[in-house]
Amino acid sequence: EPEVTQTPSHQVTQMGQEVILRCVPISNHLYFYWYRQILGQKVEFLVSFYNNEISEKSEIFDDQFSVERPDGSNFTLKIRSTKLEDSAMYFCASTQGSGNTIYFGEGSWLTVV
Amino acid sequence: GIQVEQSPPDLILQEGANSTLRCNFSDSVNNLQWFHQNPWGQLINLFYIPSGTKQNGRLSATTVATERYSLLYISSSQTTDSGVYFCVSGTYKYIFGTGTRLKVLA
Repeated sequence: EPEVTQTPSHQVTQMGQEVILRCVPISNHLYFYWYRQILGQKVEFLVSFYNNEISEKSEIFDDQFSVERPDGSNFTLKIRSTKLEDSAMYFCASTQGSGNTIYFGEGSWLTVV
Repeated sequence: GIQVEQSPPDLILQEGANSTLRCNFSDSVNNLQWFHQNPWGQLINLFYIPSGTKQNGRLSATTVATERYSLLYISSSQTTDSGVYFCVSGTYKYIFGTGTRLKVLA
């Protein structure tokens, strides 16, 4: 089964620091996504990305967040100045086309202290 | 945007019991998936089922797109089935349902 890979699996950071979460989507997929899950809560959509630009973003995805596809394989989520409430599991996902099966990575736990 | 509601929110079963989880969506959808989030937080893809019925071992799923619901059946439940079950739908923005938290007791 193809898989989406994410690094790091867990990161602890000081409040105010910048964090970059990395993802390698499935190789022939064209659409990429980031989701967030605060402990014990539902999985929330952050952003979708296609053809090197953001397709859609939620109200959570404010100016402190950014995404980038720096090369042909990686897809990154940057949080510029982390807050305590950014502590969550962040999932990367990809699809071959819009509306196709979505595949998730194993997640990156971010703890802001 | 589309709203996805799941029921029941919580379910406790004795090992060996059967259960049915329901997902209702507010608008017509052209895709639907079921995921199991295990106790380690991983999202395991169970079914891609925009319509019809599929079976995989002890699990099966049915989606009736015209009536805007999907059902996930778990038969002969095991403790490893514990976790949260989500249905997900969307196109550029895949929306998660509210989830059903299942606990299977030995």
